[in-house]
Formats: sequence, C-alpha cells, structure tokens
Amino acid sequence: DTEVTQTPKHLVMGMTNKKSLKCEQHMGHRAMYWYKQKAKKPPELMFVYSYEKLSINESVPSRFSPECPNSSLLNLHLHALQPEDSALYLCASSPLGGSTEAFFGQGTRLTVV
Amino acid sequence: TQLLEQSPQFLSIQEGENLTVYCNSSSVFSSLQWYRQEPGEGPVLLVTVVTGGEVKKLKRLTFQFGDARKDSSLHITAAQPGDTGLYLCAGKVYNNNDMRFGAGTRLTVKP
Repeated sequence: DTEVTQTPKHLVMGMTNKKSLKCEQHMGHRAMYWYKQKAKKPPELMFVYSYEKLSINESVPSRFSPECPNSSLLNLHLHALQPEDSALYLCASSPLGGSTEAFFGQGTRLTVV
Repeated sequence: TQLLEQSPQFLSIQEGENLTVYCNSSSVFSSLQWYRQEPGEGPVLLVTVVTGGEVKKLKRLTFQFGDARKDSSLHITAAQPGDTGLYLCAGKVYNNNDMRFGAGTRLTVKP
C-alpha cells in the first residue's frame, strides 16, 4: 500500500475563512511534506515534518499553519488567504533517510476568492 | 538558482521517436527520483536511483544516475502518445529529508 490520502480534493474559500487540508498515510513513514504547486510549475516545498516535529519551514507566510497530530496525519490550517494562494496543495510521505522516495497524494485544488 | 536543473522544459515529438530528459545539479544526492504528473493529480513515482552509475529500466524508459550522484537522465524509446505528461526529477540532498524538484519537462507525443 503506497497510498497517501488527501481531503478535500477541491476547496473554495473566501479570504476571511478558516479551513484545513488533511493528509493521511498508513505506511509507517516518519517524514511528511506539504508542497504548493502553481499551474505549469513544479511543486515547491513548504514544510517537512520528521518524527512529528517540524524540521523545515521554507519561509512560508503564517497564514499557513501546519500540524502533525500523530505519525499518520498531517494537517494544513488556512486562515486569511489571498487569491494568489490559489494552487494545488500536495502532501507526501517517505521513510526517513536520504535514499528513500516520497509518495504523493492526489492533492487539494484550492481556490481563494 | 534551482537546486536541480532539468532540461528541456518542453518537448514535442512524433510517435516512435526517442528522447532524453536531463536532470543536473552541483550538489550530491543520496537518491534521485523520477515522477510523472497528470494535470490536477499528484506526482506518481516512476523510479528511484540510489547508487552512482546505476541504470534502471522500466519497459521503454531507461533511467541513469551519474557516477558522482549529481545528475540523472531519463530516456524514452519509441515514444507513444500515452507517454504525454509532465516528467519531474526530484532528490534529497545528501543525508537530508529535504526533497526538491526540478522545473519539469512537459512532453507531448503526437500520433
């Protein structure tokens, strides 16, 4: 099983809304990632969690707040977003270590209006 | 400057032709991955290369990892329209969980 499940698949939110993106994996992976992907661009790293602790934050604005409540779950809390934050948000997981590959979810297509 | 330089960024070829996509860096990688992504979907893993000089084959796709573990290539033989998509290389810099992507190669194979 190499499945990473992301919900919702699509989300439309206003600039004053608060919403959360969810990601779940049951592969026992202890590294989990959030990426942002704009149209016709590659995924850009936002956050990395290792052993449920935030290990990398790529200078992401505070309106994006990640949370890793346990080794299977990863959330991304959204508040006061801007229209330019509209993008495909991808979650991934991998075993720890440099020689390991990451597996991706299907993504959440976020539109901020 | 991107950590992984991928080229070409766009490629349009006829069915049956061969092609090669390159992924280069000045950094040493513990491993490099190749992914394929369809519009609106997440990247799907094609292969991971770990050992310098390694060659892996997946049907008509051949992947190579450079001896110094700084570069990789993807060669497709006799391309088919079903190969159309975005191909992405990605890697973790040595001893790190930080995985970065190249700019991607958007391949179109015309029937």
